[in-house]
Amino acid sequence: EVQLVESGGGLIQPGGSLRLSCAASGFTFGGYSMNWVRQAPGKGLEWVSYINSSSSAIYYADSVKGRFTTSRDNAKNSLFLQMNSLRDEDTAVYYCARTLSGTLDYWGQGTLVTVSS
Amino acid sequence: DVVMTQSPLSLPVTLGQPASISCRSSQSLVYTNGDTYLNWFQQRPGQSPRRLIYKVSNRDSGVPDRFSGSGSGTDFTLRISRVEAEDVGVYYCMQATHWPLTFGGGTKVEIK
Repeated sequence: EVQLVESGGGLIQPGGSLRLSCAASGFTFGGYSMNWVRQAPGKGLEWVSYINSSSSAIYYADSVKGRFTTSRDNAKNSLFLQMNSLRDEDTAVYYCARTLSGTLDYWGQGTLVTVSS
Repeated sequence: DVVMTQSPLSLPVTLGQPASISCRSSQSLVYTNGDTYLNWFQQRPGQSPRRLIYKVSNRDSGVPDRFSGSGSGTDFTLRISRVEAEDVGVYYCMQATHWPLTFGGGTKVEIK
């Protein structure tokens, strides 16, 4: 069974940093591209970042470019999102999602990041 | 960026009645290989999104056959033939033909 479990969320002050993790199991993690998608409280879904299976292609939404860094460790079946210079508007539930042929076929349960002083 | 416009915003439906959600894109979603990467997701209250439909009309395994997707180019529709109580939630369309990936604003389905 495919499982994606995010962790690392919490309360952080504006300007601070946080590192999210996504632990994958039930599939060959190194064979799939992955995405981060976020959802602000009571709002819709916003794509954040994409990383391909070999980490040779990484894309970011304009809203996080230069502040967030996506990486992965295929040996440890893990995906990461390093978030720096956090702003109030980064407050959201962050989901990792597996990519397959132009779709996001499996999603984690999400981890909540709250940016507030 | 491709703008995805969903309507309606809210959809009150009587149990057992049909429901239809529209999703329109600001550009054609036909990729150079001929495929159309238009997806539908369901998000039940308190849960993470779940994929229902991929490439316009392909239903995921385990998704009831009362859900169907259709459309082409820039105009797409998700239909529920007979709404059940478990269908309550927010439905999102998403395009993956063009970077960045973009989502519609969501349609909230509720029971009258």
